[in-house]
Amino acid sequence: IQLTQSPSFLSASVGDRVTITCRASQGISSYFAWYQQKPGKAPNLLIYDVSTLQSGVPSRFSGSGSGTDFTLTISSLQPEDFATYYCQQLHIYPLTFGGGTKVEIK
Amino acid sequence: EVQLVQSGAEAKKPGESLKISCQGSGYTFASYWIGWVRQMPGKGLEWMGIIYPRDSDTKYSPSFQGHVTISADRSTSTAYLQWSSLKASDTAMYYCARPAVPGIVNGFNIWGQGTMVAVSS
Repeated sequence: IQLTQSPSFLSASVGDRVTITCRASQGISSYFAWYQQKPGKAPNLLIYDVSTLQSGVPSRFSGSGSGTDFTLTISSLQPEDFATYYCQQLHIYPLTFGGGTKVEIK
Repeated sequence: EVQLVQSGAEAKKPGESLKISCQGSGYTFASYWIGWVRQMPGKGLEWMGIIYPRDSDTKYSPSFQGHVTISADRSTSTAYLQWSSLKASDTAMYYCARPAVPGIVNGFNIWGQGTMVAVSS
């Protein structure tokens, strides 16, 4: 399953509402996750099972979607949110990641 | 504390073999899948494969099948990623990662610190 993530690059300001989308090449179940990665660090799980917030992740992050279209939303962008975000499908092997979305400061 | 600790950075020549490790602690190692992820310099995440230490069930991405071998040793709570013949294109950071739930792969919430592999003549 191929995951097409968009946009690949996003410039936004603190306080903005940000939406990142991921489209799958075929329908998948609820095993879908989102990660945040900062430079030089391992990825950090934000959302799993499409919309379940990982423990310790701020509530401004949310996930939604079904079938082939999935979305990560940051309700009010904070300075520490500038990073690269990846989606991942865990429905079927081989597991796959989206290409990533780099969120930078406008 | 649950953690995955990876082996240190490696500098190798093309054609050489290599085995890097990922040691789990603070949990029942055999009960959780462990996956491996590649990140080439300046690029995105690529899923390589995964192993279930309890029965050594292993699944590979077609992109890596035949070029790497994933294994696990329950006695030392360690997973391994190995190459028999490295290429320059294997230069990358390699991460191991564990899902949140035993026996299920629904998101990787525990990650190793990464092992940098540099392959150059």
